[in-house]
Amino acid sequence: AQSVTQLGSHVSVSEGALVLLRCNYSSSVPPYLFWYVQYPNQGLQLLLKYTSAATLVKGINGFEAEFKKSETSFHLTKPSAHMSDAAEYFCAVQNSGGSNYKLTFGKGTLLTVNP
Amino acid sequence: SQTIHQWPATLVQPVGSPLSLECTVEGTSNPNLYWYRQAAGRGLQLLFYSVGIGQISSEVPQNLSASRPQDRQFILSSKKLLLSDSGFYLCAWSGIGQGNTIYFGEGSWLTVV
Repeated sequence: AQSVTQLGSHVSVSEGALVLLRCNYSSSVPPYLFWYVQYPNQGLQLLLKYTSAATLVKGINGFEAEFKKSETSFHLTKPSAHMSDAAEYFCAVQNSGGSNYKLTFGKGTLLTVNP
Repeated sequence: SQTIHQWPATLVQPVGSPLSLECTVEGTSNPNLYWYRQAAGRGLQLLFYSVGIGQISSEVPQNLSASRPQDRQFILSSKKLLLSDSGFYLCAWSGIGQGNTIYFGEGSWLTVV
């Protein structure tokens, strides 16, 4: 079975500061990993995904994430936070094997950006 | 380009009343379709997924059902709503194949009163 743990349900940073959102996964087979962002009362939008190519993945809005197999982690970072980054972020895992393509999500991390 | 539409956006229903949420996808054929529910502090829970017309898999036992009457139409239903059915419901689709991105609709807020 696959699972995702997002450390910290709420992260607060100052505008211009580094953003680090943590995600650890559990999977019995090589995983595909995703980060989604959700703005209030909206659906989820894909930020980036890892599908066994380069371990450092660049996404939209200046975000990137690094797949570290030894640490079973896929942390999301952005060098300088903007006010518009305030949202909830979800990490998700999909097994690379099997006959369906379900995503298992973490519980989310709410990012607050202070001026 | 592909788009996904979900409606209604907001719904307030009394306990015991029926429910129907609809979702359609445009610009693609034979998508995988999903219904997720989001409750505060609990992330997203997969309720149903479908790999083809009439093929529905349920992830958790519950008061809800899903149907796929057409290739790009996915419906979430209930005969009698419970208070615990309140939440934010998200329809989503993906292409066939591993590593494909799942794309989400804008969601439907359901409040059962």
